[in-house]
Amino acid sequence: KAGVTQTPRYLIKTRGQQVTLSCSPISGHRSVSWYQQTPGQGLQFLFEYFSETQRNKGNFPGRFSGRQFSNSRSEMNVSTLELGDSALYLCASSRGGLAGGNEQFFGPGTRLTVL
Amino acid sequence: AQTVTQSQPEMSVQEAETVTLSCTYDTSESDYYLFWYKQPPSRQMILVIRQEAYKQQNATENRFSVNFQKAAKSFSLKISDSQLGDAAMYFCAYRSEGFQKLVFGTGTRLLVSP
Repeated sequence: KAGVTQTPRYLIKTRGQQVTLSCSPISGHRSVSWYQQTPGQGLQFLFEYFSETQRNKGNFPGRFSGRQFSNSRSEMNVSTLELGDSALYLCASSRGGLAGGNEQFFGPGTRLTVL
Repeated sequence: AQTVTQSQPEMSVQEAETVTLSCTYDTSESDYYLFWYKQPPSRQMILVIRQEAYKQQNATENRFSVNFQKAAKSFSLKISDSQLGDAAMYFCAYRSEGFQKLVFGTGTRLLVSP
């Protein structure tokens, strides 16, 4: 069974640009969550999508947005990039049930560098 | 809001020895889940072990076990017979019942020497 895949693995952008990151969950998984990992702030939850609907959202500015498609693939978009957006962006997929210890499987991440 | 604290930025252990990583959390909820994730240099986050708050029995996965003290809000990870491949960042994480969101601690870097 293929794991969670994220594309691209590395990105270099300049301030003010926008970027789109993609995440393909494990087959059969309907929930995709996104996390930002930085040395200063650690791992922070961005948002979660389930069946094409945003189900939960972290405390990030509106420049960070996402969506999920009918095949459960998800994209996140960051507009007007700032230097502080440089981070490893991780996505995690799960079956999506809210009860029980629903295991989340992480992708390898996308390393975004903003110059 | 829930918080997770890992007070050990770095720990060292020799091969074949045992090491314990500490984690405390703060919550007013009664139903939740706790996890330990491992992040090796490759950056891929891997689930090591999980614990349901309603279970009193401590979870065990091969060489990995936890000491879950619900009243003290403590959730430590014990790694027995440490191996070189155990070297990684270890994150403690909390998840509320009814949500997918994980709240992570700041991580503990584990160094394993031959």
